[in-house]
Amino acid sequence: QKEVEQNSGPLSVPEGAIASLNCTYSDRGSQSFFWYRQYSGKSPELIMFIYSNGDKEDGRFTAQLNKASQYVSLLIRDSQPSDSATYLCAVKEVTGGGNKLTFGTGTQLKVEL
Amino acid sequence: DGGITQSPKYLFRKEGQNVTLSCEQNLNHDAMYWYRQDPGQGLRLIYYSQIVNDFQKGDIAEGYSVSREKKESFPLTVTSAQKNPTAFYLCASTPDSSNQPQHFGDGTRLSIL
Repeated sequence: QKEVEQNSGPLSVPEGAIASLNCTYSDRGSQSFFWYRQYSGKSPELIMFIYSNGDKEDGRFTAQLNKASQYVSLLIRDSQPSDSATYLCAVKEVTGGGNKLTFGTGTQLKVEL
Repeated sequence: DGGITQSPKYLFRKEGQNVTLSCEQNLNHDAMYWYRQDPGQGLRLIYYSQIVNDFQKGDIAEGYSVSREKKESFPLTVTSAQKNPTAFYLCASTPDSSNQPQHFGDGTRLSIL
């Protein structure tokens, strides 16, 4: 059973700080990694995706991938109260047909004033 | 506007009843997916379809059925065999079966009467 692990949190950070969200995965052959943000009672929305080792930046968000360590992270700079949500890590399966994703259980982020 | 439309937003099921959740997309996407999310949990794949008239079971297909008669529509039926149907159901789509990120509809919340 392929697994994606996240710390459930809550992770509390002060406004303006950097929030660091982490995710590990079990399938060493995984190629594609996605971060979704989910507000309470709402559906997930895509924040970032990353395919290659290293960093990928988009505005205040940076995704980091280390395939050797089977580790992907999301950094949120200058955290705002509106960033308070649950962040889901998803990993694309290598085997099998289709674009099947395995999701972690999510990390709850709280940005405090 | 292009997007994924799920209906209804809230649905109540009586014991022994089958109910059908609607998912429609006007994005011309080939692949469509159904997920289930329980409180405090990640998303689990129920069924997915890569092309019209074809679909595959996901990780938790028991008690559910789907059809894909049209490219834009992928309805999910929750049958009476599904003994614990209370959950948040999410439909997603991608242009094809490659690495494209999945984007979600707004979800349907199903409860037992």
